[in-house]
Amino acid sequence: KAGVTQTPRYLIKTRGQQVTLSCSPISGHRSVSWYQQTPGQGLQFLFEYFSETQRNKGNFPGRFSGRQFSNSRSEMNVSTLELGDSALYLCASSPDGVNYGYTFGSGTRLTVV
Amino acid sequence: DQQVKQNSPSLSVQEGRISILNCDYTNSMFDYFLWYKKYPAEGPTFLISISSIKDKNEDGRFTVFLNKSAKHLSLHIVPSQPGDSAVYFCAAVNSGSARQLTFGSGTQLTVLP
Repeated sequence: KAGVTQTPRYLIKTRGQQVTLSCSPISGHRSVSWYQQTPGQGLQFLFEYFSETQRNKGNFPGRFSGRQFSNSRSEMNVSTLELGDSALYLCASSPDGVNYGYTFGSGTRLTVV
Repeated sequence: DQQVKQNSPSLSVQEGRISILNCDYTNSMFDYFLWYKKYPAEGPTFLISISSIKDKNEDGRFTVFLNKSAKHLSLHIVPSQPGDSAVYFCAAVNSGSARQLTFGSGTQLTVLP
């Protein structure tokens, strides 16, 4: 079966712009989580959605937001981009969020210039 | 404050020998632990996990050991193969509250032929 699909794979944006990243989970998976990976901070939890509801949120500013649709697809949005937002953004899905063996997508590499 | 620490950024091992990757945690509320492997330009891949009610879990060449009193876990790979060369992340979960993975900073494993 298809894995977790993230689009786009690469993105270059200018400071101050906003960006939307997309994630399609494995079919039947209802939990979608987002992580940010940077060389300095490693992998950090952004938020988790289950059945269109945000269940958990990490320690990120309000510029980072997300949503989940009825088909479990998820988007995350970053507004007013800063240089420090340059990172690999990873989406992970799980059947229910209780099974922690999340399946990760390949990520979206965001570069802010 | 890093709650999950991987103090060795890199490890080199000869093919066929044992690789031992270590991870320490500080949060005593963590009760579920996972190891992920990551190749460049790909998302992390789930390897093996262990619940805090166990002290060992084995899956083929991979064994995870948990020492709760020392707040320490390790991943053993026997025998190591060149294809195991990747970055290995340990992650921890407090299953009673937030459904989020707290990751260590990763260890780059290089298996030399």
